[in-house]
Amino acid sequence: AQSVTQLGSHVSVSEGALVLLRCNYSSSVPPYLFWYVQYPNQGLQLLLKYTSAATLVKGINGFEAEFKKSETSFHLTKPSAHMSDAAEYFCAVSGSTGNQFYFGTGTSLTVIP
Amino acid sequence: GAGVSQTPSNKVTEKGKYVELRCDPISGHTALYWYRQSLGQGPEFLIYFQGTGAADDSGLPNDRFFAVRPEGSVSTLKIQRTERGDSAVYLCASSLGGATINTDTQYFGPGTRLTVL
Repeated sequence: AQSVTQLGSHVSVSEGALVLLRCNYSSSVPPYLFWYVQYPNQGLQLLLKYTSAATLVKGINGFEAEFKKSETSFHLTKPSAHMSDAAEYFCAVSGSTGNQFYFGTGTSLTVIP
Repeated sequence: GAGVSQTPSNKVTEKGKYVELRCDPISGHTALYWYRQSLGQGPEFLIYFQGTGAADDSGLPNDRFFAVRPEGSVSTLKIQRTERGDSAVYLCASSLGGATINTDTQYFGPGTRLTVL
């Protein structure tokens, strides 16, 4: 069985501050991990994904995430928040077997000017 | 190129009615997923197609829900005898599919907001 837990349904940061969105996973098989972003009135869009290559993954718009097996985590970070980063962020997991993707409940990011 | 499109964007129906939701995937994508997203929740897997066949329908909540993809492209999600609890945003996603399915990037449509009165 696989699942992800996103800690913090709402995160607020000041413009220019560090963004840290947390995701912990549970998986009985080696996981593949994803971060998707959903801007208001738009469809989900892939930010980045971990597919068992490099543990530090760089994505679009300056975001990156690090796969830490010992901590079962895949936290999303960005050094300096921009107003345009305000959106809903979803962590997701799939496994090397099966075709299902499991999404977390999402974290709403607010950027304060 | 064109992304994933879904029609209608909004659907309001009455309890007990039948509804169909349509998804047009990206051309050439063999994999197609349906998800349901309730307010404040992440997308919940419903069904996955590889080509014309439903490779995994374990997420369908009950037998009122059914989906087809007869020609391996457009898919229709069908809900019979709708209930108020079916109200949600229904998302469709497509990906290249095949051997790399578990690492594929899924491309999502904008969703259909279903409201059952």
